[in-house]
Parts: sequence; structure tokens; C-alpha cells
Amino acid sequence: GENVEQHPSTLSVQEGDSAVIKCTYSDSASNYFPWYKQELGKRPQLIIDIRSNVGEKKDQRIAVTLNKTAKHFSLHITETQPEDSAVYFCAARANDYKLSFGAGTTVTVRA
Amino acid sequence: SAVISQKPSRDICQRGTSLTIQCQVDSQVTMMFWYRQQPGQSLTLIATANQGSEATYESGFVIDKFPISRPNLTFSTLTVSNMSPEDSSIYLCSAPGVGGYGYTFGSGTRLTVV
Repeated sequence: GENVEQHPSTLSVQEGDSAVIKCTYSDSASNYFPWYKQELGKRPQLIIDIRSNVGEKKDQRIAVTLNKTAKHFSLHITETQPEDSAVYFCAARANDYKLSFGAGTTVTVRA
Repeated sequence: SAVISQKPSRDICQRGTSLTIQCQVDSQVTMMFWYRQQPGQSLTLIATANQGSEATYESGFVIDKFPISRPNLTFSTLTVSNMSPEDSSIYLCSAPGVGGYGYTFGSGTRLTVV
């Protein structure tokens, strides 16, 4: 099955700086890559996603890039704010429609 | 994206008993997924619930322990049977949106077994 690795496990950034989280996947058939933000005690919330026919996607301060050849994708958050503090999960979906999740990255934005 | 209502939000149960968790989706979806999330951990897929057929379970999860029902395209239940303290966790359901993208989650059920 699909195996998704995520790095780093924790990330502390100064408010206003950028944060980057990287994920790799193992199954070359994976074709959809969502990112989730989970605040303490809340459900995971989809923040951005990318399909395998696209290399980059932006939505205001967040962007995702995909390198199919290398089988890795990254989340970029610019101009970080305290409300960006949360756990972020990457995921990959193969042809069976199951999402495989990375281990998560705890992001702390220091004021 | 689908909006999913999940209940109960939390429960404290005695060991040896069973708890049934319900998820209602605001639109018809072919597949629903059940996850377990231990505190501070990632999401682990328990099973895929398809309407009109048996659920398919991931390695380490069995139907006798986690029976699933999927009576129609908008509803599913997960039962945690014969509970032990090791079953204490958060359980979440999920479903894809239009075209099989934009997966959303229920609000989760925080289960404590004493």
C-alpha cells in the first residue's frame, strides 16, 4: 500500500516568516494530494489540495508543489500568523480512493 | 465538499461493552471511511464502508471488533465491540466530495474506556 513520510515533525517559526513542510509518497499511482490542518480537539480541515496533473497550486498565503518524478510534495505557508499554529497532515490517494496520511507536523508560530 | 455529522461527540464506556458511532452525510457518497486517531498521532484507516457490500478492513482491524453498517449512501455506523482501555481513542468518519476529491471529516468521537 501507499506509504507517506512527512518532515519535519515539529516546526517553530517567527510570525511573518515562511513555513515549509515536505512529504514523500511511495505509490507512483497516487494522483491526489490533500493537506489538512488540525487544531487541538477539532476535526482535520482541508486547506489545499493538488492533483497529479498540476505542479503547483496557490490559495492566498498557502501553496502546494508536486514533483511526480521525485514523488514528493510540499506545503508552503508565507507570512505566518499565530492562527497558523496547528498540526498539519499531508495525504496521498491512490486508485483505491483511500487516503494515506503522513505522521503530521506541529507548527508553532511565535509572536 | 460533503458535510458530515457525527455522534456521539464523546463517551466514557465500561470495558466489555460496545459503542456505536454514527455518521450522516449531507449528500450521497459511494465510499465512507472510518479512522482512528490516538492522541498526538496521525490518522489510521480502520475500514472502507461501501453501500451494498461488506466493508473492507485494513490490516490489524477485524469485522468482529469493528462491525460497520452502510444501509444507504448517506449514512454509516461503526461499532467498537467488547471494548478495552486500549480502544480509548478518537474515531472519525470521512467521505470524498464531488469527483472523489475534497475529503471531509466528521467532528470525531472521543472514546474513553474505563
